[in-house]
Formats: sequence, structure tokens, C-alpha cells
Amino acid sequence: DVKVTQSSRYLVKRTGEKVFLECVQDMDHENMFWYRQDPGLGLRLIYFSYDVKMKEKGDIPEGYSVSREKKERFSLILESASTNQTSMYLCASSLSQVGTQYFGPGTRLLVL
Amino acid sequence: RKEVEQDPGPFNVPEGATVAFNCTYSNSASQSFFWYRQDCRKEPKLLMSVYSSGNEDGRFTAQLNRASQYISLLIRDSKLSDSATYLCVVNRRGMNNNAGNMLTFGGGTRLMVKP
Repeated sequence: DVKVTQSSRYLVKRTGEKVFLECVQDMDHENMFWYRQDPGLGLRLIYFSYDVKMKEKGDIPEGYSVSREKKERFSLILESASTNQTSMYLCASSLSQVGTQYFGPGTRLLVL
Repeated sequence: RKEVEQDPGPFNVPEGATVAFNCTYSNSASQSFFWYRQDCRKEPKLLMSVYSSGNEDGRFTAQLNRASQYISLLIRDSKLSDSATYLCVVNRRGMNNNAGNMLTFGGGTRLMVKP
């Protein structure tokens, strides 16, 4: 079974803090993704990576950066957290570019 | 216009009912289509892919209409355990050709099956 894990299920941070969200997959997938999910807006792609050290902006990259130093790990960084970044963050990975995406359990981030 | 549009529902149906969801997509170049299921406070999981000729998986039937750019999901003999949000998913190309495809998710349709 594919397993995608995320470093935290719940996180509370203060405005201006730097926040790291980590995602690890154990199936040697090339592609990894970061989404945020908000009521009424669905899942929106923040960034994705199709190989180590390769990344591409998604639909809403502003205020975020990512890091993929190893194939199994994809990190999302909020350089200076703001209240409008309060959301559910979901990481996913996939083997092929049109293949099934496997999601982690999500991180609920609250920025105060 | 959203790239993938779904009726958010909720659809409230009794056990045993047949229920259908539709989804429309805006990019005529899309080639891959999926339905994902998301339980409350859980991550999305693939329910089924949608093929051009239509496909069935047990009580679930998916149809694709390329000319009208819509996808449907039919659930027969609804079970309580079918209660979830169903996400329509369509691929699109990334800006970098090396990046290949990305997926665009609809907002989801919520289904509640009652005893």
C-alpha cells in the first residue's frame, strides 16, 4: 500500500512565523503535490514537483515555497504565516503524470 | 468560469436509492478524468477513473461526454457507507512541458444517505 505521511495533523502558529510542513511518501513516486482545501473552494494546487529539485508553481503559490531535496520528501514552507493561510493542507504523490494521486491525511493549520 | 464545476449538494437520499452527480469541465483538451471520494475529515481517495466508453465498478457507473464536456457518476442501491463528498477531477497541462499533467479538482458534491 502506498503511504503518504504528513508531519503534523494539527498546527497552531502566530502571524509572521515561518512554518514548515513536511510530506513523505514511501513508494518511490516521481511526482509530489501540495494543495490547500477550503470550504467552498475545493482543493487548490499550491506547488508540485516532478523530480528531485524540480518544482512548478500551481494556482496559488503566493506566500509559499517548496523544497524537494530527496525523492521521498516534499516540504511546503510558509515564509511568514498570515491568517489567510489558515487552511487544511494536503500532500499527494503519484507515480505517473496522469496516475492516481495518493494523499496524506492532511495538516490543519491555524494561524492566529 | 471554474475549470471543473460541480453541484455542491448536499444530496439527501434514502438507502437503496439511485443517485447521479454531474460535473462539467472547461478545458476541451483534457484527456484524463476521475472521481475521487472524500470522507468527512479524511483525505481524498480515488474512486474510479472515467473512460471514454463509460465504465462500471460494482454499483458505480461513470460516463464521459466529450462533446458537452461533462462527466457523470451514477450510484445504484445507495448504502449508508456511500455518504461522502465526491470530487470530479480532470487533468490539465502544466506550463512547463517537462512537468506534464496536473489535476484540477472540482469543489465536490456531498452525498448523505439516510436509513
